[in-house]
Amino acid sequence: EPEVTQTPSHQVTQMGQEVILRCVPISNHLYFYWYRQILGQKVEFLVSFYNNEISEKSEIFDDQFSVERPDGSNFTLKIRSTKLEDSAMYFCASSETLLNYGYTFGSGTRLTVV
Amino acid sequence: SQQGEEDPQALSIQEGENATMNCSYKTSINNLQWYRQNSGRGLVHLILIRSNEREKHSGRLRVTLDTSKKSSSLLITASRAADTASYFCATGGTDKLIFGTGTRLQVFP
Repeated sequence: EPEVTQTPSHQVTQMGQEVILRCVPISNHLYFYWYRQILGQKVEFLVSFYNNEISEKSEIFDDQFSVERPDGSNFTLKIRSTKLEDSAMYFCASSETLLNYGYTFGSGTRLTVV
Repeated sequence: SQQGEEDPQALSIQEGENATMNCSYKTSINNLQWYRQNSGRGLVHLILIRSNEREKHSGRLRVTLDTSKKSSSLLITASRAADTASYFCATGGTDKLIFGTGTRLQVFP
């Protein structure tokens, strides 16, 4: 069964450093997403991406965040200058145009900012 | 404001019992989805029900949707220990999904 792959599974970074979280969405999906989940809290939408541009973003997705699809397979989330409160699980997801099968999520990257 | 809120927040049952989780939402929808999340893992899509549907089944799952009350329920019949997870409802489309607060289900063997 096709999967969304995320790397790394766990990243520890110092406050103020830049991090790049990587995702390989399902190959025939056209819509890509990043979500985050602070430990024990709800799943929060960050950004959606379609046709090589952001289609929607949340208030959380400020100037410190950016997304890119540098080639035909990868989809990345960059945090320019990490803060302690960026510590969370970050989930990538992808979907087809028709939502019959919902979103397919990756297993997540646990980001710890120290 | 939060789009979906699940009720109860936590539910503990014995294997073999049925588990019912409810979701309420605020705005009009085209569809509503349910997802499961095992501890520390990603979300897994369970079922999607469209706004013109009232009930949908998938294996041991039964989902209902009442658009007049802006609510949905997820019923898991004959629960198993492996059903232990958090369950989330979500509304939205290809631009974004907004998730509810989730119900933590514990099924004891």
